Amino acid sequence: DTEVTQTPKHLVMGMTNKKSLKCEQHMGHRAMYWYKQKAKKPPELMFVYSYEKLSINESVPSRFSPECPNSSLLNLHLHALQPEDSALYLCASSQDPSGSEQYFGPGTRLTVT
Amino acid sequence: QQQVKQSPQSLIVQKGGISIINCAYENTAFDYFPWYQQFPGKGPALLIAIRPDVSEKKEGRFTISFNKSAKQFSLHIMDSQPGDSATYFCAAANAGGTSYGKLTFGQGTILTVHP
Repeated sequence: DTEVTQTPKHLVMGMTNKKSLKCEQHMGHRAMYWYKQKAKKPPELMFVYSYEKLSINESVPSRFSPECPNSSLLNLHLHALQPEDSALYLCASSQDPSGSEQYFGPGTRLTVT
Repeated sequence: QQQVKQSPQSLIVQKGGISIINCAYENTAFDYFPWYQQFPGKGPALLIAIRPDVSEKKEGRFTISFNKSAKQFSLHIMDSQPGDSATYFCAAANAGGTSYGKLTFGQGTILTVHP
């Protein structure tokens, strides 16, 4: 089973709201990732967690705050977003932090109004 | 040097034909080359991947050809079907290095297979 689940599927939020995206995997993977994907573009890496510790932050604005409560869960906390942050947010996981064999979830479609 | 260049941007193929998508890279430290398939509104799905110790890998109708000296790799879809219509991304990573976790993606190819 190579399933990564994400909730919610869709999210509409105002620029003053606070919301969270959730990601879960039960494959025993020790690396988890957040990506942002704009229409007709490849995914852009935002954060990497390796063994529950933040190992890569790709200079993401502080209005995005990741959290890894345990080895199966990954959250992305959103606050004071801008309309240009509207995108598909993808979570992925892999067995190890090498970056190989990353399995993606279905994504959360975020719209900021 | 971190770029992966993918071509063509879009591809139209008749049912039963062969779809070919090409990628080229510069960074010789890359040692893992996956292909992802993405349907509209869905996350990318890992389709097939290759490491530079082999020149070809086949899984069903999907084949990766890898040319280490030319720093190129390609995806061949044999007997293309309308259900293969999707966006395909090549990617590369230095899986054995210190810049772990980072997949460098190509810009994507929109494949349309006509019935």
